[in-house]
Amino acid sequence: NAGVTQTPKFRVLKTGQSMTLLCAQDMNHEYMYWYRQDPGMGLRLIHYSVGEGTTAKGEVPDGYNVSRLKKQNFLLGLESAAPSQTSVYFCASSYQMGQGSYNEQFFGPGTRLTVL
Amino acid sequence: KNEVEQSPQNLTAQEGEFITINCSYSVGISALHWLQQHPGGGIVSLFMLSSGKKKHGRLIATINIQEKHSSLHITASHPRDSAVYICAVHLTGNQFYFGTGTSLTVIP
Repeated sequence: NAGVTQTPKFRVLKTGQSMTLLCAQDMNHEYMYWYRQDPGMGLRLIHYSVGEGTTAKGEVPDGYNVSRLKKQNFLLGLESAAPSQTSVYFCASSYQMGQGSYNEQFFGPGTRLTVL
Repeated sequence: KNEVEQSPQNLTAQEGEFITINCSYSVGISALHWLQQHPGGGIVSLFMLSSGKKKHGRLIATINIQEKHSSLHITASHPRDSAVYICAVHLTGNQFYFGTGTSLTVIP
């Protein structure tokens, strides 16, 4: 099993350009998450999904859109990139968090995005 | 505002030392996670706990819900333990808050 994979690993954009980050997992996980990690700050949740066709906003959703058309894929889109979106982006997935049950998250390797 | 505070921010230890990393949080939580981020950037989950204590090899994690505090202990530390250790709290409603991490360096 590949676990959680992210594409691409690195990307440089100019301000105003758009791009999509792809996250794929082969563990049949219901839950998927997109985080950003910035120097001196903890990981921050951008958006998450609790199942195919559903998405929800996290702590810092502005400037990003997401889609979960297939259970195994979770896409993060930047419609008009800004320098403030320069960051390392991590995708994660986990089994459904049933009542009283909290499952560990499995993380992808990260995507390093620079917006000039 | 920081819902999760970790201490120390940086830690250097000699190989073999007993290490403690602390995590305090200010919100009601459903569970707490300890993560390890390798120098290459990859993140792995070490523990998830909502009460008591868990042990895995040389790693021990404890949590005191009343005091809103958790500790991660590493016994007989080794250079391969050098990494950033991150505390994260899981709130109801699928919200997670992460600490900024403790950077650990173990010197041979």
